[in-house]
Amino acid sequence: ELKVEQNPLFLSMQEGKNYTIYCNYSTTSDRLYWYRQDPGKSLESLFVLLSNGAVKQEGRLMASLDTKARLSTLHITAAVHDLSATYFCAVDASLYNTDKLIFGTGTRLQVFP
Amino acid sequence: GAGVSQSPSNKVTEKGKDVELRCDPISGHTALYWYRQSLGQGLEFLIYFQGNSAPDKSGLPSDRFSAERTGGSVSTLTIQRTQQEDSAVYLCASSLIFTLAGVRRYNEQFFGPGTRLTVL
Repeated sequence: ELKVEQNPLFLSMQEGKNYTIYCNYSTTSDRLYWYRQDPGKSLESLFVLLSNGAVKQEGRLMASLDTKARLSTLHITAAVHDLSATYFCAVDASLYNTDKLIFGTGTRLQVFP
Repeated sequence: GAGVSQSPSNKVTEKGKDVELRCDPISGHTALYWYRQSLGQGLEFLIYFQGNSAPDKSGLPSDRFSAERTGGSVSTLTIQRTQQEDSAVYLCASSLIFTLAGVRRYNEQFFGPGTRLTVL
C-alpha cells in the first residue's frame, strides 16, 4: 500500500523560532510536492522536488528531498504569523503505473506571537 | 492566466437529492482529478481522468458517485441520492503530465477553489 505520513500533525510555534515538518513515504519515488492550504481555502503549490538531493527555498521555507531515505523535509526559519496554514506533501506514484499523487495527512501549523 | 475553476462554490441540498459539481481545468491540461476533503481532514482521492484513457475510479466511495469529462476538458461530478456523510469540500485539480523520452518528469497539480457541499 502506498502511504505518506507527515509529522507532526499539529504544530504550534512561536514567532521567530525554527522547526521542521517531516514527510515519510513508503513508495519508490523521486518526485515530491509540497502544498499549503489556508483555512477555508484551496491548496496552493509551494515546491516541486524532482530528484534526489533537490532543495528549494522560498522566503522562510525550505524543502528538501532524500529519495534513498524516502523522506522530505519542510524547514521553517524564523516563523511569522503569516505562515500559519496546513501543509501537505504529496508523492508522485508514477512508478506504480498511476497518475495519482499520494497525499500526506497534512501538518497544521499555528504561529503565535 | 486562468486557473482551475469550480462551480458552484457552495451547495446546500436535502438528503436524497442529486447534485452536480462542475470543474473547468486549466486550458491544455491533460489530467483532471477530483478529491474530497471533510472538515479538518486530509484529501481523499475520488477519480481522475488522463487524456483519452479510461478514468481511474478507484476512489469513488459508492455507486452513487460518478464523474464524466467531456471533450477532454470540463468535468462534472454527480452524487445521486445524497447522504449527510457526503457533506464535504469537493476539490478539483488539473495537471499537465509531462513525459520526456517515455519518462514521467512531473505532475504538479493545480487546485480549484472547491465546492462546499452541505447535505441537510
